[in-house]
Amino acid sequence: GAGVSQSPSNKVTEKGKDVELRCDPISGHTALYWYRQSLGQGLEFLIYFQGNSAPDKSGLPSDRFSAERTGGSVSTLTIQRTQQEDSAVYLCASSLVTRQETQYFGPGTRLLVL
Amino acid sequence: GENVEQHPSTLSVQEGDSAVIKCTYSDSASNYFPWYKQELGKRPQLIIDIRSSVGEKKDQRIAVTLNKTAKHFSLHITETQPEDSAVYFCAASSNSGGSNYKLTFGKGTLLTVNP
Repeated sequence: GAGVSQSPSNKVTEKGKDVELRCDPISGHTALYWYRQSLGQGLEFLIYFQGNSAPDKSGLPSDRFSAERTGGSVSTLTIQRTQQEDSAVYLCASSLVTRQETQYFGPGTRLLVL
Repeated sequence: GENVEQHPSTLSVQEGDSAVIKCTYSDSASNYFPWYKQELGKRPQLIIDIRSSVGEKKDQRIAVTLNKTAKHFSLHITETQPEDSAVYFCAASSNSGGSNYKLTFGKGTLLTVNP
């Protein structure tokens, strides 16, 4: 079946602009995760959803970051007033349930803030 | 919270040799340890995982070992091939405190297999 998809694949924006990143999880996966991957770094946990609820937002770097999930499916990560340090690859993953299950990753959105 | 350290950051081997990547973790409650492979420009993909109920797991040329007492786990790749070249990430997860969804990743190891 179809895997996790993300759009756009690349995004170049100017400092101060808002951006929206989209994630389509695998159909039927109730858990959805957002990670950030900076150059030479590991994957930094941002937020996870169980259904449409986000029980843990503690990984969001600042209040400029927010995320929502609707219909237990598509999720959007929004970054307001982007800064150059926001430049990174944003990865989305989904799993069948929020236990220690395999997380399936999307291809990521490469964000560059000029 | 959990902290995962991964070594080495880069590893270069000759085709056919073995490669070993090591990770340590800080939370003694961690009990799930997956390994992900990320080829250049591609998404991370799970290659093997281990739970704390076992000390070793093998899948063809790949094996993972876990030492709970020392809080470290390792990935072993035997008979390496050029297509094994990628960045490998270890991760740890605990099911204490309701945090069993959360993976904490190491910073990755760039493995290069030279023909």
